[in-house]
Amino acid sequence: AQKVTQAQTEISVVEKEDVTLDCVYETRDTTYYLFWYKQPPSGELVFLIRRNSFDEQNEISGRYSWNFQKSTSSFNFTITASQVVDSAVYFCALNSGGSNYKLTFGKGTLLTVNP
Amino acid sequence: DADVTQTPRNRITKTGKRIMLECSQTKGHDRMYWYRQDPGLGLRLIYYSFDVKDINKGEISDGYSVSRQAQAKFSLSLESAIPNQTALYFCATSRPGNGELFFGEGSRLTVL
Repeated sequence: AQKVTQAQTEISVVEKEDVTLDCVYETRDTTYYLFWYKQPPSGELVFLIRRNSFDEQNEISGRYSWNFQKSTSSFNFTITASQVVDSAVYFCALNSGGSNYKLTFGKGTLLTVNP
Repeated sequence: DADVTQTPRNRITKTGKRIMLECSQTKGHDRMYWYRQDPGLGLRLIYYSFDVKDINKGEISDGYSVSRQAQAKFSLSLESAIPNQTALYFCATSRPGNGELFFGEGSRLTVL
């Protein structure tokens, strides 16, 4: 079975602060993919990143960065110098070889960035 | 135009009514999905289909049915809606492989 845990239900920060969203996953497969999606208040789901299990290189995209650590089964997401527009629900998701027909989602973290 | 289109975007109905949510896609993907989102619960899979002749139940299929009318169309039906089916529903598509989903804009359903 595969599972994704986002322990932080809600996070509130002040603009320009850095914030890290945690994601811990469980799978018995050696081949798997991890994702982050953003859901702004308008409701649509926006794809942010995909990472496969063989690529532990961290990634940076502008103010966003992702830290993938297989040793701790974590795929954390950091926003540097947060902005009000970053306010959203963020979902971490897992697709693993044994269940590759679907994504398993965490319950999401609501990030509120206050001016 | 969106690659994955859901209709209606918003619907309010009464308990016991039959409701159909429709999804169409122009991405040419064989795989289509219906997910349900509830606050604090993330997204949960209702049904999925790998092609027109392949329909499978997901985690929470009770009370729902689906129809894959064509490669591009996948409909979700609530035969007799109940209030706890009030939720945001997402259709999605994917290619075989890494499981990346391409989502529609969501259909907000309220059952009174």
